[in-house]
Amino acid sequence: DTGVSQNPRHKITKRGQNVTFRCDPISEHNRLYWYRQTLGQGPEFLTYFQNEAQLEKSRLLSDRFSAERPKGSFSTLEIQRTEQGDSAMYLCASSSSTSGGLNTGELFFGEGSRLTVL
Amino acid sequence: AQSVTQLGSHVSVSEGALVLLRCNYSSSVPPYLFWYVQYPNQGLQLLLKYTSAATLVKGINGFEAEFKKSETSFHLTKPSAHMSDAAEYFCAVRLTGGGNKLTFGTGTQLKVEL
Repeated sequence: DTGVSQNPRHKITKRGQNVTFRCDPISEHNRLYWYRQTLGQGPEFLTYFQNEAQLEKSRLLSDRFSAERPKGSFSTLEIQRTEQGDSAMYLCASSSSTSGGLNTGELFFGEGSRLTVL
Repeated sequence: AQSVTQLGSHVSVSEGALVLLRCNYSSSVPPYLFWYVQYPNQGLQLLLKYTSAATLVKGINGFEAEFKKSETSFHLTKPSAHMSDAAEYFCAVRLTGGGNKLTFGTGTQLKVEL
């Protein structure tokens, strides 16, 4: 079990550019979540997938944000036309919805991708 | 709707002293509650969770939390602070509506002094 992996860990970009983050969840987990965390705040829910289906999106996820999980494994989060307000840590987490030992209720987080928009 | 409130954005204790981080919840259904820890520039690591079994929950690194329905609280404690406990701590509650989504408090930064 290698845990949740995110890359890149850090991304600096200029306003107006597009950026993409990748998340590889724990392999047995069928659910994948994206959260955003700004300085001094707790993580805020953006969206989640069960397998390849995107089941819920937060109002925080503007039209410039798109997330995919095409084969039900890794996921990407793309931000188009970045703005300075997009600067944050983007956290990915995974969990299992199956019964038994795998579904322990908690989310397992990656180390995050920090975005700085200049 | 479920939510958590963490009282005190910054807590400072001496090494060896008791750690008490406060969390109050709001939930219309029996809640699932969690404490996570975050070290600088890292993701969140689960400390412990309450899922309607024992009200006193023991976690990693000597931390524990007690679920008190009458007080709608889930405070995190550790009898003796260590320098390595300095980090940010988040309380979270699982949201209804499926998906194991969590909503987090605003966090408490714990400082441990010599």
